Amino acid sequence: GENVEQHPSTLSVQEGDSAVIKCTYSDSASNYFPWYKQELGKGPQLIIDIRSNVGEKKDQRIAVTLNKTAKHFSLHITETQPEDSAVYFCLGNNNAGNMLTFGGGTRLMVEP
Amino acid sequence: DTGVSQDPRHKITKRGQNVTFRCDPISEHNRLYWYRQTLGQGPEFLTYFQNEAQLEKSRLLSDRFSAERPKGSFSTLEIQRTEQGDSAMYLCASRMPDRVLSGANVLTFGAGSRLTVL
Repeated sequence: GENVEQHPSTLSVQEGDSAVIKCTYSDSASNYFPWYKQELGKGPQLIIDIRSNVGEKKDQRIAVTLNKTAKHFSLHITETQPEDSAVYFCLGNNNAGNMLTFGGGTRLMVEP
Repeated sequence: DTGVSQDPRHKITKRGQNVTFRCDPISEHNRLYWYRQTLGQGPEFLTYFQNEAQLEKSRLLSDRFSAERPKGSFSTLEIQRTEQGDSAMYLCASRMPDRVLSGANVLTFGAGSRLTVL
């Protein structure tokens, strides 16, 4: 199955700064790269995703970049706000694989 | 149908008792997943259904765990003879059939069922 590693495990930034979280994967057949945000007491919620035919996707303050050669993809959050504080997970998967594997998570703390 | 529903949200039980969790996926989603999440960790895959067929099972799913999806709609996850190590959040997620190209891989999660075994 897919091996997914996520770094860093914790990240503390000042409000307004940028945050970057990186995820590396092992399965070269992976073709779909999502990021999930989990707030306390809730299930993970999809915030952005990218497919392997593009290298970058942006949605307001959030962007995801993909490097298929190096097998990693990253979540970028700009102009961070306190409500961005949560745990973020990447997910490794492909169209054929069904044992979808999460990264270990990154706890992001945005300090006012 | 506004999303994935899980019941109960919280369950406290004594060691050795049986517990059952229910998941109602989004109606047009034919794929259903169960995950377990302990504090500070990412969700760990337990099992996966396509319609009523259970197609994948993790080795985390010991013989005390059983999952069903009898009519290809809702699913249940039963834990028999619970142990303190079973304490966790049990998450259910669903997704569309692959033939629907847009958003086919998107997993939609429920809020989870938190189990505490005393």
